Amino acid sequence: DGGITQSPKYLFRKEGQNVTLSCEQNLNHDAMYWYRQDPGQGLRLIYYSQIVNDFQKGDIAEGYSVSREKKESFPLTVTSAQKNPTAFYLCASSTRQGAIPQPQHFGDGTRLSIL
Amino acid sequence: GENVEQHPSTLSVQEGDSAVIKCTYSDSASNYFPWYKQELGKRPQLIIDIRSNVGEKKDQRIAVTLNKTAKHFSLHITETQPEDSAVYFCAASIPGYSTLTFGKGTMLLVS
Repeated sequence: DGGITQSPKYLFRKEGQNVTLSCEQNLNHDAMYWYRQDPGQGLRLIYYSQIVNDFQKGDIAEGYSVSREKKESFPLTVTSAQKNPTAFYLCASSTRQGAIPQPQHFGDGTRLSIL
Repeated sequence: GENVEQHPSTLSVQEGDSAVIKCTYSDSASNYFPWYKQELGKRPQLIIDIRSNVGEKKDQRIAVTLNKTAKHFSLHITETQPEDSAVYFCAASIPGYSTLTFGKGTMLLVS
């Protein structure tokens, strides 16, 4: 069954702690994305990667870090520098066709809360 | 960068009525415009998309129209049903970039 798997579904962070959200896809997609969703704010791009071992900052990258060591995996670390991490985090992926934008497909999300 | 405005933020309709959600974009180079539906606590799901070489696209009760001159696009849902109740997001993308810029969403309530 192809798709995007995010884990965990719920995550709690203590003050000063880094936490890592997992995103795995078996769609053979080249591009992967992380979004943050807050009520009434829509989806805001944190980081994206168009190819293995390369990634770019999105609109709200401060306090977050990513890696892309494998095509299938794009983990997001929420660092202690992110002072307001409580949000719903969504991972997405898409194919790449040169300069032509492609549909993005989303995982089920991780809800992060502060303890 | 691209900026997408979406209106209204909330839309209430009676079952069987039509619903229209409108979005405007700022960058005239944008050429891909998807719409996503997100039910409470669930993932956004692509329901329809349109590219700039097309003015209208239809899929059963859902249609999207694009006016490139005015830089706006709209989602039309006919014969609304209670299961259409959800938050709908529009987005835009510029060629050469794989990223999407999203509107802030419209909560559609069908009663």
